[in-house]
Amino acid sequence: AQSVAQPEDQVNVAEGNPLTVKCTYSVSGNPYLFWYVQYPNRGLQFLLKYITGDNLVKGSYGFEAEFNKSQTSFHLKKPSALVSDSALYFCAVRAINTDKLIFGTGTRLQVFP
Amino acid sequence: GAVVSQHPSWVICKSGTSVKIECRSLDFQATTMFWYRQFPKQSLMLMATSNEGSKATYEQGVEKDKFLINHASLTLSTLTVTSAHPEDSSFYICSARDSGRQGSYNSPLHFGNGTRLTVT
Repeated sequence: AQSVAQPEDQVNVAEGNPLTVKCTYSVSGNPYLFWYVQYPNRGLQFLLKYITGDNLVKGSYGFEAEFNKSQTSFHLKKPSALVSDSALYFCAVRAINTDKLIFGTGTRLQVFP
Repeated sequence: GAVVSQHPSWVICKSGTSVKIECRSLDFQATTMFWYRQFPKQSLMLMATSNEGSKATYEQGVEKDKFLINHASLTLSTLTVTSAHPEDSSFYICSARDSGRQGSYNSPLHFGNGTRLTVT
């Protein structure tokens, strides 16, 4: 069965510092990986995805993620955090030949001024 | 960009009544829509997959008679919470994939803004 783990409930970072939100996955075959962001009382917004190709994926709002097959990880990164990046971040995976998107438990990112 | 409209954004109802939540894809067609439930400080739990013109596929543990799903057109899916009880209070989110795009299978889901249901 496919699954996603986000080991950190919350990540705190000072504005201007780099940030990393961790995600590891378990899936049979090649994974399709996604990152979404959720602001309070709102739906999810798509940030970026990895399907195939370059392991470093660039997405919206300056975020990027690196796919590491040997470590089964897909960590979300940003070189310089903004206070407005504070939100709930979800990693998700979909295995080939399925239509379901399975989400991790979410990581709350708090960026302090 | 692709927009999913979910209505209402919040609703308060009395125990025992039914509530209908609508999910519309505004500028694309969606043969498949997904309904999620999110508890406070928890992840999204997939409840069911809504298929246009056919029965929805429910996840294990989700009562299909309580959470009625109808996907009558390529742009509209509805979730009806029947005989609601306080434990049904939650944040319900729908999502859809643009089925008209080439390679849509790998395209990201577009999410509605969610519906906060409170049952008193």
